[in-house]
Amino acid sequence: DIQMTQSPSSLSASVGDRVTITCRASQGIRNNLVWYQQKAGRAPNLLIIDASTLRSGVPPRFSGSGSGTDFALTISSLQPEDVATYYCQNFDGAPPYTFGQGTKVEIK
Amino acid sequence: EVQIVDSGGGLAQPGGSLRLSCVASGFTFSRYWMSWVRQAPGKGLEWVANIKEDGTEKNYVDSVKGRFTLSRDNAKNSVYLQMNSLGAEDTALYYCTRGRGWVDYWGQGTVVTVSS
Repeated sequence: DIQMTQSPSSLSASVGDRVTITCRASQGIRNNLVWYQQKAGRAPNLLIIDASTLRSGVPPRFSGSGSGTDFALTISSLQPEDVATYYCQNFDGAPPYTFGQGTKVEIK
Repeated sequence: EVQIVDSGGGLAQPGGSLRLSCVASGFTFSRYWMSWVRQAPGKGLEWVANIKEDGTEKNYVDSVKGRFTLSRDNAKNSVYLQMNSLGAEDTALYYCTRGRGWVDYWGQGTVVTVSS
């Protein structure tokens, strides 16, 4: 199975800061990666597909990059409503379609 | 509007069984793979299983193979997850979702607790 490793596991930043979360796959997955945002007590929400395509309705301060084994989710200007846990997920090839362990983002 | 409603969770004894159900609306159900994702208390997300549009292909994470069985009824816009031989490690919030690998819509989740 492909292992997905996110870092950091948590971060605290100020409103307006640029925040970057990384996700590394244990083998190449081309651009077959998505990002989700999960706010406390809620189901996850899909943010980015195919590593870098923003889902309709997602604020443009979110962006994704990467291909192969190394990926990143960037929030260009952190807002209070971005407090959440963020997950990457691989969907390359055969299942299981593993998730990263999550990155909890808080406001300093 | 896409809606997915999960149900069927509850308390099960170790070694027991539960059947989760999911009813979807707002899209052509028979054209989509459906999946289940679970989240243990305070933990991250785990992909569990998926089922093809016509039910002819099903895939499971290794930890549930042989114990969980997915099925669907396209006439009822429904997916079912039969869970047998439950163990404490299956305690989680189970989400029914739309999609094969990545998923774009989620149910509200149904809680499964395995305890004696």
